[in-house]
Amino acid sequence: SQQGEEDPQALSIQEGENATMNCSYKTSINNLQWYRQNSGRGLVHLILIRSNEREKHSGRLRVTLDTSKKSSSLLITASRAADTASYFCATAPRDSWGKLQFGAGTQVVVTP
Amino acid sequence: KAGVTQTPRYLIKTRGQQVTLSCSPISGHRSVSWYQQTPGQGLQFLFEYFSETQRNKGNFPGRFSGRQFSNSRSEMNVSTLELGDSALYLCASSLYDTNTGELFFGEGSRLTVL
Repeated sequence: SQQGEEDPQALSIQEGENATMNCSYKTSINNLQWYRQNSGRGLVHLILIRSNEREKHSGRLRVTLDTSKKSSSLLITASRAADTASYFCATAPRDSWGKLQFGAGTQVVVTP
Repeated sequence: KAGVTQTPRYLIKTRGQQVTLSCSPISGHRSVSWYQQTPGQGLQFLFEYFSETQRNKGNFPGRFSGRQFSNSRSEMNVSTLELGDSALYLCASSLYDTNTGELFFGEGSRLTVL
């Protein structure tokens, strides 16, 4: 079973707009990570936020984490066509070694 | 540095056969984990190995097995294949484990069971 829920399931925006997706999870975590997947290929790590952090930035990416609500959000600013992909949040549970639990993903389409 | 390499990339098998998938992690990475991705179930954890020891296993039947060699390369095996085993199998490596850092994924092995 999957750890989290992602919202929305799909998102269609135009280049230059911002894209925001949310992730909720169920158990206590060590960290939460976001990954990108292009069309059935391997996943690419985007950003990791630890349980004691509230916000993190990396280039055009901004991630927030609210452990009291067990939720996270990923913001991609000034979207580009190359950002078209599926985005997954993944949590590393406190009680489980080497195991990431993935959400169902948000499919983002950025049109030129 | 070379990335995670998975072989074969594509394969077609029939029900009842078995399959072995291989994964070569990034040099120096000691943790290798495997995930199954299907349209219906999404990404599901199979197992994780660290220094040749299986540290964690997902909720899959015993037909799914794996191992890790002393050079950190890993293999997973699926016996008595079923139609529902058709999936993208992803291998990922990390320096230590997911509690401390990110995973680096290979491109996957796409298995089709007929």
